[in-house]
Amino acid sequence: GIQVEQSPPDLILQEGANSTLRCNFSDSVNNLQWFHQNPWGQLINLFYIPSGTKQNGRLSATTVATERYSLLYISSSQTTDSGVYFCAVGRSEAAGNKLTFGGGTRVLVKP
Amino acid sequence: GAVVSQHPSRVICKSGTSVKIECRSLDFQATTMFWYRQFPKQSLMLMATSNEGSKATYEQGVEKDKFLINHASLTLSTLTVTSAHPEDSSFYICSARQALKRAFFGQGTRLTVV
Repeated sequence: GIQVEQSPPDLILQEGANSTLRCNFSDSVNNLQWFHQNPWGQLINLFYIPSGTKQNGRLSATTVATERYSLLYISSSQTTDSGVYFCAVGRSEAAGNKLTFGGGTRVLVKP
Repeated sequence: GAVVSQHPSRVICKSGTSVKIECRSLDFQATTMFWYRQFPKQSLMLMATSNEGSKATYEQGVEKDKFLINHASLTLSTLTVTSAHPEDSSFYICSARQALKRAFFGQGTRLTVV
């Protein structure tokens, strides 16, 4: 199956700092999403971004499908940004519309 | 975004008993829902795909008879952990996808088997 690798595995930031999280995947995809899992376990959908660039407030994401990677940018980080960020990818409907998750990047933003 | 509600959020049960977890899509119809399992500090592992009106599709290595899935309506899927044992203790999360694109997750259920 498709492999999804995220880097770095852990990230410690000072409040106000910017950061970039990376997601590499091993095969072509037509579905890529970024999620934030808060300390209570709730997963929030941040972006649906199989290609191109999107921005939502202090967060933005870019996917270069031809090169099989996606980046998530966090600007002016806040303590509420702490948690685990997951990238998940999927292929065609023939694959059951399943999403495969990367290992995640654990982010801690210190005040 | 769409709302997916999962209940209960936390359950403690005795070894040998069964536990049912409900997953509801509140504001959209979900012909397909997904059940994941997550161990501490690990990623999400897909257990099964729940299809409305038909049998669930289980991932390799997932015991069908232990993890019973029922998708009785377009807004409700249930996961029943049968004859639970301590090794079944985990965080279980359901997901529903709107228009088969964006995925939305329930709050998760933390199961502890004692």
